[in-house]
Amino acid sequence: DQQVKQNSPSLSVQEGRISILNCDYTNSMFDYFLWYKKYPAEGPTFLISISSIKDKNEDGRFTVFLNKSAKHLSLHIVPSQPGDSAVYFCAASRPIFNSMNNNAGNMLTFGGGTRLMVKP
Amino acid sequence: EAGVAQSPRYKIIEKRQSVAFWCNPISGHATLYWYQQILGQGPKLLIQFQNNGVVDDSQLPKDRFSAERLKGVDSTLKIQPAKLEDSAVYLCASSLSRTSGPRRNYKNIQYFGAGTRLSVL
Repeated sequence: DQQVKQNSPSLSVQEGRISILNCDYTNSMFDYFLWYKKYPAEGPTFLISISSIKDKNEDGRFTVFLNKSAKHLSLHIVPSQPGDSAVYFCAASRPIFNSMNNNAGNMLTFGGGTRLMVKP
Repeated sequence: EAGVAQSPRYKIIEKRQSVAFWCNPISGHATLYWYQQILGQGPKLLIQFQNNGVVDDSQLPKDRFSAERLKGVDSTLKIQPAKLEDSAVYLCASSLSRTSGPRRNYKNIQYFGAGTRLSVL
């Protein structure tokens, strides 16, 4: 049961153009969403995030949009640069509860990733 | 500030052998996570610690996998005995966020180590 899906395994974009990476989720308990970037032989690094109470968050060239009704989020990179070439993972966070129904932390569920290639 | 440290970087073993991975989180981070990332997939959470207590291990195959964080700082993940399907990158992550109690910080930004690539032959 894939609760977080990135349906495009790869994306190729020309330098200077916009890159749009998409992510869909199914679990209504997710209340925070994150994008991570991963270079080969390195661990994922945090890029940008958004709370479920917002529909947009912007940080420099990176903007994340959230459409709660459609359970869809997207990452826009403008303008795209060759150094942006990497695998991008969408992740969704939800609270987890212990047997006494007390909040016991958060759990991240990752999508399968999209490999972005920005051509010079 | 030093990042999350993991060792070894690579490990090759034969099936039915045992293996252990080590992780040292970012100083002061109370929450530590172990993930398994199979080639072509996203990371999958195996176990999550808050200090030295287990918060969630629902996706840990407990018949062969075990993990501990005895002093609430570094952690080890063990596989005994290994199977071919355990070939993956094992990632450790840590976070500073307060993830439980009335002032829970849901931002939960996790910082990852470079991982250990395990090949089971």
